[in-house]
Amino acid sequence: GENVEQHPSTLSVQEGDSAVIKCTYSDSASNYFPWYKQELGKRPQLIIDIRSNVGEKKDQRIAVTLNKTAKHFSLHITETQPEDSAVYFCAARGTYKYIFGTGTRLKVLA
Amino acid sequence: EAGVAQSPRYKIIEKRQSVAFWCNPISGHATLYWYQQILGQGPKLLIQFQNNGVVDDSQLPKDRFSAERLKGVDSTLKIQPAKLEDSAVYLCASSLDRRTDTQYFGPGTRLTVL
Repeated sequence: GENVEQHPSTLSVQEGDSAVIKCTYSDSASNYFPWYKQELGKRPQLIIDIRSNVGEKKDQRIAVTLNKTAKHFSLHITETQPEDSAVYFCAARGTYKYIFGTGTRLKVLA
Repeated sequence: EAGVAQSPRYKIIEKRQSVAFWCNPISGHATLYWYQQILGQGPKLLIQFQNNGVVDDSQLPKDRFSAERLKGVDSTLKIQPAKLEDSAVYLCASSLDRRTDTQYFGPGTRLTVL
């Protein structure tokens, strides 16, 4: 069946460094790829998304890249700050259905 | 704009008991999703409604879980009887329609089955 693999499961970086999280999807019909940030005990919040007709999208310190041929997409956070610490989920939407990755716990060390 | 509302926020029950969760999506949103999020995992889609019709319930354990959205607005998710492995956060989300990409999540209901 369809699945989304996400790596790494945990990531620790020093404040000010960059963080990269990678996802691979299996459903070639997937056309929309959102990234969510989830703080402890809170709901997932959409932080950035990309559609299949775009290769890269940037919003201040956050960027997402998509390689449709290889079926993978990545989240890049630059100049990380302690408040970036959270669990990040990628997702891929195929035919009306979202499949989520397993999550990456990001810790930004001050 | 009011967000997705869910209640209760927390529920503790014993195994074999029944429980029901309620969701009120963002006004005007035709598509409603119920997800199960087990601790340390990503959300898993249980059921998706388009207005009051089911679009996908392939991952809903139908022997114990049921959901309805009778008037195409609010929705309830029921578990009967509950098992220990049902302990999770149940998230409701909505989007304008199933072709619109962005879905918005509610705060979730944390279920503990003892």
